[in-house]
Amino acid sequence: DAGVIQSPRHEVTEMGQEVTLRCKPISGHNSLFWYRQTMMRGLELLIYFNNNVPIDDSGMPEDRFSAKMPNASFSTLKIQPSEPRDSAVYFCASSLVQVPDTQYFGPGTRLTVL
Amino acid sequence: DAKTTQPPSMDCAEGRAANLPCNHSTISGNEYVYWYRQIHSQGPQYIIHGLKNNETNEMASLIITEDRKSSTLILPHATLRDTAVYYCIVRDTSGGSYIPTFGRGTSLIVHP
Repeated sequence: DAGVIQSPRHEVTEMGQEVTLRCKPISGHNSLFWYRQTMMRGLELLIYFNNNVPIDDSGMPEDRFSAKMPNASFSTLKIQPSEPRDSAVYFCASSLVQVPDTQYFGPGTRLTVL
Repeated sequence: DAKTTQPPSMDCAEGRAANLPCNHSTISGNEYVYWYRQIHSQGPQYIIHGLKNNETNEMASLIITEDRKSSTLILPHATLRDTAVYYCIVRDTSGGSYIPTFGRGTSLIVHP
């Protein structure tokens, strides 16, 4: 398996622009997680899905952030409008819904908002 | 979920065992202990997990104290490639809903 795939790997945009990050989980996994990592705050969970349904989005910083999972093999994290403080590395991870579980992380998307 | 406490940094000589401690004094009976690591510029990588018993796999060993209030991750023969941030997490997944908290982890530097 190719593992969790994220695109783009790097994104540079200007403040106010819309940004869409994409994730393809490992085939057969039914949980998907979006994380954000910064030097100041470390690794934070933004939202996670079980069987394509959002379970907990309490980590989403504000209404400018939205995430969707239209099917089991694809998810997006959208920021509109983007702000410089959104600059971070965004990771997607997937796992099986089971106890205990193991999360497999993608390589991340490094976002820079100018 | 219970919180964990880890030293911010450690160092180890190449070829020696690296012992990374983690305190989780408020852990409850149905919470697992997980360890992940993150090598620079990569996504976190799962290492090992355990509930009560000690565990070993091809990457590491996990020693959990009898009262489960602390654990130690052991890399038996550390290499330069083991230089990374190591995260100890405790999570209750029995209810199906959880928010794993990675914290700051321990930055392990393996030197020649």
